Amino acid sequence: GENVEQHPSTLSVQEGDSAVIKCTYSDSASNYFPWYKQELGKGPQLIIDIRSNVGEKKDQRIAVTLNKTAKHFSLHITETQPEDSAVYFCAATPTGNQFYFGTGTSLTVIP
Amino acid sequence: GAVVSQHPSRVICKSGTSVKIECRSLDFQATTMFWYRQFPKQSLMLMATSNEGSKATYEQGVEKDKFLINHASLTLSTLTVTSAHPEDSSFYICSASLQGTEAFFGQGTRLTVV
Repeated sequence: GENVEQHPSTLSVQEGDSAVIKCTYSDSASNYFPWYKQELGKGPQLIIDIRSNVGEKKDQRIAVTLNKTAKHFSLHITETQPEDSAVYFCAATPTGNQFYFGTGTSLTVIP
Repeated sequence: GAVVSQHPSRVICKSGTSVKIECRSLDFQATTMFWYRQFPKQSLMLMATSNEGSKATYEQGVEKDKFLINHASLTLSTLTVTSAHPEDSSFYICSASLQGTEAFFGQGTRLTVV
């Protein structure tokens, strides 16, 4: 089955700096890679996703890049703000019927 | 994005009783719903995959008789924790799949068994 690894597990950045979270996956059949933001006591919220036919996708301060050859994808948050503080999860799915999640990254943005 | 509503958000029950958690897709039909359990500061652990009109597929190690899942319609799946014990206390989260790709999560249910 698919195995998704996520790094780092914790990340602290100064407000205004950029944050980068990286994930690797093992199953070359995976073709959809979403990123979720989870705030304390709440369910994960989809913030951005990318499909295997695209190398990069951007939505305002958030971007995701995908390298299918190397089997890794990354989340980039620019101009970080305190409200970006949360746990972020990456995921990969080969079928859309089962999602494999990374172990999560706790991001802290220091004002 | 699509909206998934989970209810209740928080429940406290006595040991030995059963608790039902509902997961509804509000603005789309979900052929597949997933149930997860999440321990503090850990990732989501898939418990079962629920397809409308058929039996749920449980992950290895998940007791199907303890965690009853019913997916009676394209917009509703329920998880019933039967004969709950303190070790069942956890954060339970559902998600619904849109067209077999994107998945949207409910807000989670904090279950405390006393």
